[in-house]
Amino acid sequence: QQPVQSPQAVILREGEDAVINCSSSKALYSVHWYRQKHGEAPVFLMILLKGGEQKGHEKISASFNEKKQQSSLYLTASQLSYSGTYFCGTGANAGNMLTFGGGTRLMVKP
Amino acid sequence: NAGVTQTPKFRVLKTGQSMTLLCAQDMNHEYMYWYRQDPGMGLRLIHYSVGEGTTAKGEVPDGYNVSRLKKQNFLLGLESAAPSQTSVYFCASTRFRGSNTEAFFGQGTRLTVV
Repeated sequence: QQPVQSPQAVILREGEDAVINCSSSKALYSVHWYRQKHGEAPVFLMILLKGGEQKGHEKISASFNEKKQQSSLYLTASQLSYSGTYFCGTGANAGNMLTFGGGTRLMVKP
Repeated sequence: NAGVTQTPKFRVLKTGQSMTLLCAQDMNHEYMYWYRQDPGMGLRLIHYSVGEGTTAKGEVPDGYNVSRLKKQNFLLGLESAAPSQTSVYFCASTRFRGSNTEAFFGQGTRLTVV
């Protein structure tokens, strides 16, 4: 079953903050976050693993609440380049394939 | 490195026609995946492969076939295209199996079936 993302869309002004949430009905082992710009491939942002390990390539912060089966992505002091659609992907265990949420469209305006 | 490359980037098919989408990766990854992306639905797994010569069904496999004859290539076939297969198709690869490893995606193929 797909994880549920909220909000579905958000519009920000440069410099504002945003939080994107990802909720699952299943117990989770990992949560991934990807960003996709229009017409391009999804690009990896971060993995959060059960037990607290995080792996990421960018200065983006996120949290993973294992008990609540939720993850949140925090975008602070947003820049125009943050615009795009953000997807979370979840896995119930290390061997599982990812199941992706429906995406959150983020638009940052000058 | 090119990463993951998909061909073609765009295609229009008539109902009933067949076609093959090619995915090539140059990272020596064992695992490769085909997803379809529809508005509001996110990415849904069609088929995947855990190594050369092996394939497995994903979440939405009906109407598609795949082959992995060479480690670097993963082909997605539509034998008789239907309008419901209009979508954007993404190929991805990972170094390791499963959900604790970063996925690398291709640029996508936009397919329209009329």
